Amino acid sequence: AQTVTQSQPEMSVQEAETVTLSCTYDTSESNYYLFWYKQPPSRQMILVIRQEAYKQQNATENRFSVNFQKAAKSFSLKISDSQLGDTAMYFCAFMGVDSNYQLIWGAGTKLIIKP
Amino acid sequence: DTEVTQTPKHLVMGMTNKKSLKCEQHMGHRAMYWYKQKAKKPPELMFVYSYEKLSINESVPSRFSPECPNSSLLNLHLHALQPEDSALYLCASSMDSSNYGYTFGSGTRLTVV
Repeated sequence: AQTVTQSQPEMSVQEAETVTLSCTYDTSESNYYLFWYKQPPSRQMILVIRQEAYKQQNATENRFSVNFQKAAKSFSLKISDSQLGDTAMYFCAFMGVDSNYQLIWGAGTKLIIKP
Repeated sequence: DTEVTQTPKHLVMGMTNKKSLKCEQHMGHRAMYWYKQKAKKPPELMFVYSYEKLSINESVPSRFSPECPNSSLLNLHLHALQPEDSALYLCASSMDSSNYGYTFGSGTRLTVV
C-alpha cells in the first residue's frame, strides 16, 4: 500500500527566507501524481502544486517549486521569499492507480512565518 | 465560478438532532467528495460520488448519509451523532479525471454536544 511521510511536524522561518518542506512516499507504481496542499487557518485546502511522475521537469508555481526525485521517492516543496500569508499546514499527497485515484495524505507540516 | 461553497460554516447539534451539510459547485466537475478532518490531522475520505452515483463509501457509520441530488449539489445528512464526530467536514470536487487535483470548500466546523 502507498504511504506518504512528512517528517517535519512543525517548522518556523523568518519572513523573506526560503524554506523547504520534505515529503517521501512509497509506491510500486511507475506513473502517479503528487500534490502539495496548503491549509491556512481559514481552513480551506488549497492546491499549491502538482507533479506528474513521468515528467522529469520539476513543477513550479511562482514562489513555490518542488524537487522531485523519483528514484529516491522524494517530493520536497521549496517556498522562496516566504510571506506571512504562507503560514499554514502543508500536506503532501499521492495519487495512483492502486489508490483508486484517491488522495493518500501525509501527516502534514505546520509552517509558521515570523515577521 | 471556481469555488466549492459549503454551508453552514459552523454547526452545533445535539446527539438527537438531525441536520444536513450542503456543498455546491458550478465548475462542471463530475466527482464530489466528503472528507472528515480532525485538528492537525490530514483529511479522511468518507464518500465519493462520481457522475451523481455513490462510488466509494469508506465504511462510514450509517448516522452519516450522503445524497447527490444533481451534478452541482452534494449533501451530508447527519442523525444521532456522537461527540467524537465533532470535526471539520470538507467537501471537494474534481473533473472526472481527478489527477488534476481537487477543489476544496472551506468546510463546516461541526460540534456535537
